Amino acid sequence: EDQVTQSPEALRLQEGESSSLNCSYTVSGLRGLFWYRQDPGKGPEFLFTLYSAGEEKEKERLKATLTKKESFLHITAPKPEDSATYLCAVRGNQGGKLIFGQGTELSVKP
Amino acid sequence: DTEVTQTPKHLVMGMTNKKSLKCEQHMGHRAMYWYKQKAKKPPELMFVYSYEKLSINESVPSRFSPECPNSSLLNLHLHALQPEDSALYLCASSQVLVSGGTYEQYFGPGTRLTVT
Repeated sequence: EDQVTQSPEALRLQEGESSSLNCSYTVSGLRGLFWYRQDPGKGPEFLFTLYSAGEEKEKERLKATLTKKESFLHITAPKPEDSATYLCAVRGNQGGKLIFGQGTELSVKP
Repeated sequence: DTEVTQTPKHLVMGMTNKKSLKCEQHMGHRAMYWYKQKAKKPPELMFVYSYEKLSINESVPSRFSPECPNSSLLNLHLHALQPEDSALYLCASSQVLVSGGTYEQYFGPGTRLTVT
């Protein structure tokens, strides 16, 4: 059964304190791993798609990496506006649906 | 433009009411989705339309009735809902999956539904 586990559930950082969020997955034939950012009461905002182990993508202070078992979302020198819930999702070759993790709630204090 | 719009933003309805949620996208996507999201939980897939045809129904109760009038529009008709149906309802769209391919889904801002 396809499964996604994110850790930690919640993360509190000081402004400028870099850290990483983890997304561990088991899937039958990875077709893609997706990172989304979600602000309270709003829809998820697409950040990155990763397809194969070793792939990396960057956007401003965020960098996503992928191995055969997990993905990391690295946040460098975060700012308060980076506070949000970060969702990881995978699609395997069994059906077309996204399998979401429970999310990591990030809080960045000034 | 990666915008998906949803109306209304907020909806309060009684258990005997009939209402509809609307979703629109102009990205040329031919796959559209309805999700339900409870607080502190990830989105939960309800329905998938591909080329305006229903392709996935995740065993959703019949009080939720989806409709895809054309390639840009998606509706969700609501009737005789229960208080536990209160949630954020999200619409998303993507390119249609092809063999060996995958595409990201773009989400709308959601409709906050409260059933009283």
